[in-house]
Amino acid sequence: DTEVTQTPKHLVMGMTNKKSLKCEQHMGHRAMYWYKQKAKKPPELMFVYSYEKLSINESVPSRFSPECPNSSLLNLHLHALQPEDSALYLCASSQRAGGGYNEQFFGPGTRLTVL
Amino acid sequence: AQSVTQLGSHVSVSEGALVLLRCNYSSSVPPYLFWYVQYPNQGLQLLLKYTTGATLVKGINGFEAEFKKSETSFHLTKPSAHMSDAAEYFCAVTTYNNNDMRFGAGTRLTVKP
Repeated sequence: DTEVTQTPKHLVMGMTNKKSLKCEQHMGHRAMYWYKQKAKKPPELMFVYSYEKLSINESVPSRFSPECPNSSLLNLHLHALQPEDSALYLCASSQRAGGGYNEQFFGPGTRLTVL
Repeated sequence: AQSVTQLGSHVSVSEGALVLLRCNYSSSVPPYLFWYVQYPNQGLQLLLKYTTGATLVKGINGFEAEFKKSETSFHLTKPSAHMSDAAEYFCAVTTYNNNDMRFGAGTRLTVKP
């Protein structure tokens, strides 16, 4: 299985809602990533997990809360989001973080709309 | 920190023509370089990568890229464009001791019939 899956595919939420995005991979990768991508822009790194520990947080607002329950799963918990948070959220995984094994495999993304 | 610059936000070619998408990198240590393609409303798919070894790298769908250290470049080429090549292309860079990958701004490729 060489696939990264993300659910849901689309999500519409109000500014007071709490929701979660999910990402899963079964390639035995030990690094997982969250990216945010606005229209016609490149992906922007949000978080990196290496061996289930948060290793990079790119100064992301606390209304985004990542979680890595095990080596195959990555969640992004959302709370009190703003309309400007509407974007495509991409999950990726790599064999390791750094050390020449960081070719990243991307999921299809979750299209988030905040009303 | 490492970075990449993609020259040309939009490239248009005719079907059957040469595709050339330009990428220049900046890195204080040896870079690892990648080209990804993104179709509308989809994730990113790896086309090819350079880490070490042979500087001419062949990827999927007939694409290739050449790492030129003297020019700090990693341009993507394909001899003959196909309509299905129309997409957004991102060049990206990371390094051996780095946990993150930095993307260029992207180049939108349009293929005319």
